Amino acid sequence: DQQVKQNSPSLSVQEGRISILNCDYTNSMFDYFLWYKKYPAEGPTFLISISSIKDKNEDGRFTVFLNKSAKHLSLHIVPSQPGDSAVYFCAASFSGTYKYIFGTGTRLKVLA
Amino acid sequence: DSGVTQTPKHLITATGQRVTLRCSPRSGDLSVYWYQQSLDQGLQFLIQYYNGEERAKGNILERFSAQQFPDLHSELNLSSLELGDSALYFCASSAQTGGEQYFGPGTRLTVT
Repeated sequence: DQQVKQNSPSLSVQEGRISILNCDYTNSMFDYFLWYKKYPAEGPTFLISISSIKDKNEDGRFTVFLNKSAKHLSLHIVPSQPGDSAVYFCAASFSGTYKYIFGTGTRLKVLA
Repeated sequence: DSGVTQTPKHLITATGQRVTLRCSPRSGDLSVYWYQQSLDQGLQFLIQYYNGEERAKGNILERFSAQQFPDLHSELNLSSLELGDSALYFCASSAQTGGEQYFGPGTRLTVT
């Protein structure tokens, strides 16, 4: 039972354009969401998070949008840079428990 | 560098054997989490320890066990290994029982 789904295994974007990575979840009780970035041979690195009381959180070139009614979140990267090429995982958790449920990841390739 | 260290980096062993993976959290972090990432899968939460005590359990097999020691390092013990246990095993830490988790570089286990 995959509670957090990233339906696009890969995405290619031109440098300077917007990258949009999507994530869907099934459990409406999730109230904290995160995005992690992972380079080969490294552990995942925290990127940005959002609480369910918000619908948007921004940090520099990265913005996460949360649509609770659709149980959908997305990560926007503007402008995309070649160094953003990595696998991106979304994760969700419940208040009171801090185990993260991860999606299967989307491999982003930013083309120079 | 997240500050989380994991040893060994690679481990090759045979079916039926037992191995121990080690994790040292970031300085000051009390929580340690273990995840398994099999091929083309997301990170599966295994278990969480907080200040020496088990706090949350995920999809951890009975053949697997973990502990956190007084110096806060943690070990994940995998026994009666099967081919399907081949995976990347990540350790993460956080300051309390919540908040962003910082991941180590992982241990790649290959069972032959």
